Amino acid sequence: AQSVAQPEDQVNVAEGNPLTVKCTYSVSGNPYLFWYVQYPNRGLQFLLKYITGDNLVKGSYGFEAEFNKSQTSFHLKKPSALVSDSALYFCAVRDDGSGNTPLVFGKGTRLSVIA
Amino acid sequence: KAGVTQTPRYLIKTRGQQVTLSCSPISGHRSVSWYQQTPGQGLQFLFEYFSETQRNKGNFPGRFSGRQFSNSRSEMNVSTLELGDSALYLCASSSGTKGVLGEAFFGQGTRLTVV
Repeated sequence: AQSVAQPEDQVNVAEGNPLTVKCTYSVSGNPYLFWYVQYPNRGLQFLLKYITGDNLVKGSYGFEAEFNKSQTSFHLKKPSALVSDSALYFCAVRDDGSGNTPLVFGKGTRLSVIA
Repeated sequence: KAGVTQTPRYLIKTRGQQVTLSCSPISGHRSVSWYQQTPGQGLQFLFEYFSETQRNKGNFPGRFSGRQFSNSRSEMNVSTLELGDSALYLCASSSGTKGVLGEAFFGQGTRLTVV
């Protein structure tokens, strides 16, 4: 069965600095990877996804993520953090494109951007 | 286009009671998934429905059940509520066409409190 690990519960970064939120995954087939963000009292919002193609994926709000097959990682990055980026971030993976496996989420990483 | 609608937004129930939560997906979306979100466990997958059929199921006890109707609306039911069932229950819809991996769109959730 597929799984996702977000090794950091909390990431703190100063405004204007680059940020990285880490994600590693485990699948038996080809991974389909997603990042979502959750603001307080809101549902999850889609940021970006990797299905196939370029290993560097660009998404909403200036975020990007790099797929690394050898390290089974899909880290979320942003060159310059904003205070408004402070939120809970979730990485998710589906094992294949058949629909026969669910979308599984990590436990989330709380990002705090300090002015 | 209307988003994913979950009702009710808040619910307080007593131990031993049962509860039914409702989810209306985005128009045209045929896949609906349910997740339980708690502070310690992150998002845990409950089940996924596609065209009225349960396509995937998570590791939850039989007290948790769901169904999907012909108009793609979905309900989940929890019987014999326990204190540990207190959580935010999130519903997500996607186009769900087999072999096509569109992103999931989330509702704002139903906050269930069991007392």
